[in-house]
Amino acid sequence: AQKVTQTQTSISVMEKTTVTMDCVYETQDSSYFLFWYKQTASGEIVFLIRQDSYKKENATVGHYSLNFQKPKSSIGLIITATQIEDSAVYFCAMREGQQGTGSKLSFGKGAKLTVSP
Amino acid sequence: ETAVFQTPNYHVTQVGNEVSFNCKQTLGHDTMYWYKQDSKKLLKIMFSYNNKQLIVNETVPRRFSPQSSDKAHLNLRIKSVEPEDSAVYLCASSHYWGFNQDTQYFGPGTRLLVL
Repeated sequence: AQKVTQTQTSISVMEKTTVTMDCVYETQDSSYFLFWYKQTASGEIVFLIRQDSYKKENATVGHYSLNFQKPKSSIGLIITATQIEDSAVYFCAMREGQQGTGSKLSFGKGAKLTVSP
Repeated sequence: ETAVFQTPNYHVTQVGNEVSFNCKQTLGHDTMYWYKQDSKKLLKIMFSYNNKQLIVNETVPRRFSPQSSDKAHLNLRIKSVEPEDSAVYLCASSHYWGFNQDTQYFGPGTRLLVL
């Protein structure tokens, strides 16, 4: 069963606007980690931001921020002041496995973001 | 430069051949991973090693075998490749414990094409 779901497949925005990318997840763990990565046109996968489930504050890094809604099992990525170079495929991921038993990431299917001038 | 390095970038081979991919990380991490990304961009974990010990082994065909000489290196060997093995193989690394644990950093990938 899919544990990380991204319902958006493709999003198009104009430069300098704000975009939100959705992600919902399923887990039985009381503590878990959530991540967002982007994959550029060259294939490079770049870590953007993470949210630890026990932290109440939404994570922010540069022009990336998260909208963590734990009761809804939702972790949205917000990109403000988008730039052309933000065009990429964005993946949501969740760390599975209890501490000490081996860590692996489950990825969503990805959402392609196109930023136009 | 601290990063995750993979060789080769691209490999073309025929069905039944054996191939090997190399991965090295200079990030000081103790855990390394192999992922497979298919043509639909789906990313799936294959293996994970912590300090040369296999800790995650997903259901992959037995023709796939990871090899780790130390915590900075993780190779992947595929015996007798099949057409469905055509994909991008991505290596990643992370800290297992402590600050920023489990944040995985990826290499550029090795694209395999099986004819």
